[in-house]
Amino acid sequence: AQSVAQPEDQVNVAEGNPLTVKCTYSVSGNPYLFWYVQYPNRGLQFLLKYITGDNLVKGSYGFEAEFNKSQTSFHLKKPSALVSDSALYFCAVRDGYGNNRLAFGKGNQVVVIP
Amino acid sequence: ETGVTQTPRHLVMGMTNKKSLKCEQHLGHNAMYWYKQSAKKPLELMFVYNFKEQTENNSVPSRFSPECPNSSHLFLHLHTLQPEDSALYLCASSQDPDRTYEQYFGPGTRLTVT
Repeated sequence: AQSVAQPEDQVNVAEGNPLTVKCTYSVSGNPYLFWYVQYPNRGLQFLLKYITGDNLVKGSYGFEAEFNKSQTSFHLKKPSALVSDSALYFCAVRDGYGNNRLAFGKGNQVVVIP
Repeated sequence: ETGVTQTPRHLVMGMTNKKSLKCEQHLGHNAMYWYKQSAKKPLELMFVYNFKEQTENNSVPSRFSPECPNSSHLFLHLHTLQPEDSALYLCASSQDPDRTYEQYFGPGTRLTVT
């Protein structure tokens, strides 16, 4: 079955510094990868996805993610973090072969320090 | 806003009560989902509906009963719940259940079982 690992519980970064949130995945076939963000008392909001094509995917609010097949990773990045980026970030994967279920990681809390 | 609304936003119920959660999507999507979100755990998929037909039940206890009268509305009927059922219940929709489409989430219902 497909699965996602988000190794860090919390990521602290100073405002203006680069932000990276790590994600590794496991699937049987080709991966379809997604990032979502959750602000307090809100549902998840879609940020970006990788289905096929260019390994660097650009999404909402200046975020991007790089698909690395050899390392089975899909890390989320932002060149310059804002205080308003403080939220819970979820990586998710669907298997391109077999089970269609969307598997989520446990989430990473990002804290951007002014 | 994501185009997916959920009511109520907060619900406190006793173990012998019967209540219902409501979800409505205004995106013209054909697939709808119920998820359970508990602290420090990955999102748990509960049910999937495609064109009003249930296509997945992820071994959910029978005290949770979904209903999908049309592609825009989804309900979760609750009865004789347990305290461990306290969680944030999220509704989501997507264009269809195909694995390449992202899901759009509502704000959730915070359920407390006393």
